[in-house]
Amino acid sequence: ILNVEQSPQSLHVQEGDSTNFTCSFPSSNFYALHWYRWETAKSPEALFVMTLNGDEKKKGRISATLNTKEGYSYLYIKGSQPEDSATYLCAFIRGTASKLTFGTGTRLQVTL
Amino acid sequence: NAGVTQTPKFQVLKTGQSMTLQCAQDMNHEYMSWYRQDPGMGLRLIHYSVGAGITDQGEVPNGYNVSRSTTEDFPLRLLSAAPSQTSVYFCASRPAPGPSYEQYFGPGTRLTVT
Repeated sequence: ILNVEQSPQSLHVQEGDSTNFTCSFPSSNFYALHWYRWETAKSPEALFVMTLNGDEKKKGRISATLNTKEGYSYLYIKGSQPEDSATYLCAFIRGTASKLTFGTGTRLQVTL
Repeated sequence: NAGVTQTPKFQVLKTGQSMTLQCAQDMNHEYMSWYRQDPGMGLRLIHYSVGAGITDQGEVPNGYNVSRSTTEDFPLRLLSAAPSQTSVYFCASRPAPGPSYEQYFGPGTRLTVT
C-alpha cells in the first residue's frame, strides 16, 4: 500500500492571505503526481498533472512544484479568495501502473 | 459532451440486497475507474479498466464486481450489500492509462445500506 500524505489536514485563512500545502509520496519509482480541487457537493476537478522532477505549473493564482527525489509537492495559492475554499487532493502514480493513489486532502476555508 | 455520468444520485438498500451503479462517459476514454469516498479515508480505488474487456482490482475490491463490455459503460455491482458499503461512490475516466492524463470524475452516487 502506497502512503500519500497531505498536510495540513485543514486550513482556515483570511481573504488575501497566501497559503501552501504539502503532498508527500514515496520517492522510488515515481511516475506522476496529480493535484485536484474538490468543492463541496461537486466532483474533483484536475488542477495539475506533473511528471518531471523540478516541474512547476501555474494556473492563475494557484501554482505547484514537484521534487521527485525527496518525494514531495507543494501547492501554493496567492491572495486567497472565498471561491478558493475547497478540498485539495493530490494523487500519485508509481512505476508503470495506471492507478492513482489519493491522499486524504487538505481542506481550505477562506473567509472575508 | 455530458462527460462522466452516474446513476442513481442517491440509493438506500437493505443488507443483502444487490444493485448496480451505472457509469457512462461520452469522451471515448480508454481508462475508467470506481472509487469510494469515506470520511477521513480519502478516495479509495475499487476496480478499474484500461479498455473494453479488461478490468482489474484496486485497493478495496471485496464485495464489488465490474465489467466493461463497451468503451462507454463501466457498471459497478454490489453483490450482497453490507452496512460497511455505505459510502459515496465516484466513477472516473481518463483518455488513456498513461500517467500524464488528467482524470474526469462523475457527480457521485450516495449509497446507504441499512
